Amino acid sequence: AQSVTQLDSQVPVFEEAPVELRCNYSSSVSVYLFWYVQYPNQGLQLLLKYLSGSTLVKGINGFEAEFNKSQTSFHLRKPSVHISDTAEYFCAVSSGGGYNKLIFGAGTRLAVHP
Amino acid sequence: DAEITQSPRHKITETGRQVTLACHQTWNHNNMFWYRQDLGHGLRLIHYSYGVQDTNKGEVSDGYSVSRSNTEDLPLTLESAASSQTSVYFCASSSQGGLADTQYFGPGTRLTVL
Repeated sequence: AQSVTQLDSQVPVFEEAPVELRCNYSSSVSVYLFWYVQYPNQGLQLLLKYLSGSTLVKGINGFEAEFNKSQTSFHLRKPSVHISDTAEYFCAVSSGGGYNKLIFGAGTRLAVHP
Repeated sequence: DAEITQSPRHKITETGRQVTLACHQTWNHNNMFWYRQDLGHGLRLIHYSYGVQDTNKGEVSDGYSVSRSNTEDLPLTLESAASSQTSVYFCASSSQGGLADTQYFGPGTRLTVL
């Protein structure tokens, strides 16, 4: 069975500092990987997704993620965060067993402080 | 602009009552999903539909039902509300159903069962 583990439930960081949000997945088949962001009192929106090809994926708002098959990881990074990046971030995997069903991690709350 | 809406945004009900949460999308998407979001669990799939008259159970379907009579709507019914169903509910839709498809989320419904 597929699963997604987000290694940090909360990540506090100061404005303009770099940040990495960690995500590991388990799957015995090829996967598609997603990062979604949830701003306060809103639904989720897609940040980026990995389908195939280059292991470095660029998304919206300056975020990027690197797919590492050997370490089964898909960590999200941003070189310089803003207050407006304060949100909850979810990693998700989609693979086999019924198309377009997403398995989500528990989420990481990013808190950016001035 | 196409969108996905949910109503009501907030609902308080009593144990044992039947509750229906509405989801309406104007994307003309074939696929629709219902998730619940609970602290520490991320989003978990309740039910999903790949088209009119098609419905399928997700990982946490007990106590919930859906029906799909048209493309735009997928209402979620709690047959007899329980306190364990207090949660935030998100509806989502996607167009093609492929593994790489992006899901678009509604703003959520916060349900409290007393």
